Amino acid sequence: AQSVTQLGSHVSVSEGALVLLRCNYSSSVPPYLFWYVQYPNQGLQLLLKYTSAATLVKGINGFEAEFKKSETSFHLTKPSAHMSDAAEYFCAVSTPYALNFGKGTSLLVTP
Amino acid sequence: KAGVTQTPRYLIKTRGQQVTLSCSPISGHRSVSWYQQTPGQGLQFLFEYFSETQRNKGNFPGRFSGRQFSNSRSEMNVSTLELGDSALYLCASSPRVAGGSHYNEQFFGPGTRLTVL
Repeated sequence: AQSVTQLGSHVSVSEGALVLLRCNYSSSVPPYLFWYVQYPNQGLQLLLKYTSAATLVKGINGFEAEFKKSETSFHLTKPSAHMSDAAEYFCAVSTPYALNFGKGTSLLVTP
Repeated sequence: KAGVTQTPRYLIKTRGQQVTLSCSPISGHRSVSWYQQTPGQGLQFLFEYFSETQRNKGNFPGRFSGRQFSNSRSEMNVSTLELGDSALYLCASSPRVAGGSHYNEQFFGPGTRLTVL
């Protein structure tokens, strides 16, 4: 079965600091991987997706993620955190019929 | 294009009642999926509809059901509500085509927050 594990349910960074949110996947086939963001009282918004093309994927709002097969990882990064980045982030892997989500990482950005 | 819309945004029900939630997908999207989001279980797949047919179903009891109409709008119904059904219910639409790739991204609506008292 295809699944993802997000390491760290809460991450706190200072404004301007590097953001690193970790995601490891488990899949018996080449995975399609996604990062979504959820702001309070809203649905999920797609940040970026990996679909077996370039291993470094650039998304919206300055986020990017690198697919590393050897490490079965798909970590999300942003060079400089903004206060507006505070939200819940979900990593997901696509199965034949649905998305399997990780438990989510809550990002706190402090001034 | 307008995004995925869900109505109502908030609902309060009591145990034993039933509830119907509605979802309008992005124009042209024929696949609609439903997810339940709770603090304890996270995001869990309920079911997917494509061209008015339920294609896939997650591990939920039969109290959870849904349907899709010819215009791709979808409804989900929960009968005999339990306290544990309190959750954010998210609808997502996808441009997935019949016989095509299953790996299209999904576009989510804002959700319906259901509270069962």
